[in-house]
Amino acid sequence: AQTVTQSQPEMSVQEAETVTLSCTYDTSESDYYLFWYKQPPSRQMILVIRQEAYKQQNATENRFSVNFQKAAKSFSLKISDSQLGDAAMYFCAYRRNTGNQFYFGTGTSLTVIP
Amino acid sequence: DSGVTQTPKHLITATGQRVTLRCSPRSGDLSVYWYQQSLDQGLQFLIQYYNGEERAKGNILERFSAQQFPDLHSELNLSSLELGDSALYFCASSRLAGEQFFGPGTRLTVL
Repeated sequence: AQTVTQSQPEMSVQEAETVTLSCTYDTSESDYYLFWYKQPPSRQMILVIRQEAYKQQNATENRFSVNFQKAAKSFSLKISDSQLGDAAMYFCAYRRNTGNQFYFGTGTSLTVIP
Repeated sequence: DSGVTQTPKHLITATGQRVTLRCSPRSGDLSVYWYQQSLDQGLQFLIQYYNGEERAKGNILERFSAQQFPDLHSELNLSSLELGDSALYFCASSRLAGEQFFGPGTRLTVL
């Protein structure tokens, strides 16, 4: 069974600094998707970034980028120039390419310190 | 706006009652997923439907049931409600590949 592990329940970062959130996953598949979702205090689930496993290039969306290490089954999220609005719970998620089910980690709560 | 709609936004009811939560997926999405999120907790996957058929079941209680209709909207039925069922219930939809898009959630309070 696929599992997704986020080993950092809480993280904090100074405003304008960089922070990296960790995620590891377990799978025997070679083709899959990985995602980071953000859940701010409003509790809306917002897609931050996605990565297709067949792509070697790390995905980037403005200040958000990932470090995808397929062999190590690691998928970390880097937030650069952190802003107060980045404060949220961040969930890592996995989906097989041919499957329907998504697997979510337990989340990392990010605090941004002014 | 993700394109996924959920009604109602808030629901307050009493123990022992039954409620129905409704979800309309994004246009073109055939898969609908239901999740439960208690306060300060992660997402608990409940159930998934694809084009009207149940595809996967997670930690869904026997008191809960769901269905997806021909127009692809879905309903989650919660019965014999208990205090512990108070939570935020999310619906999400997706296509065959790619990400899920989440609705704004229904906040259920059981008194």
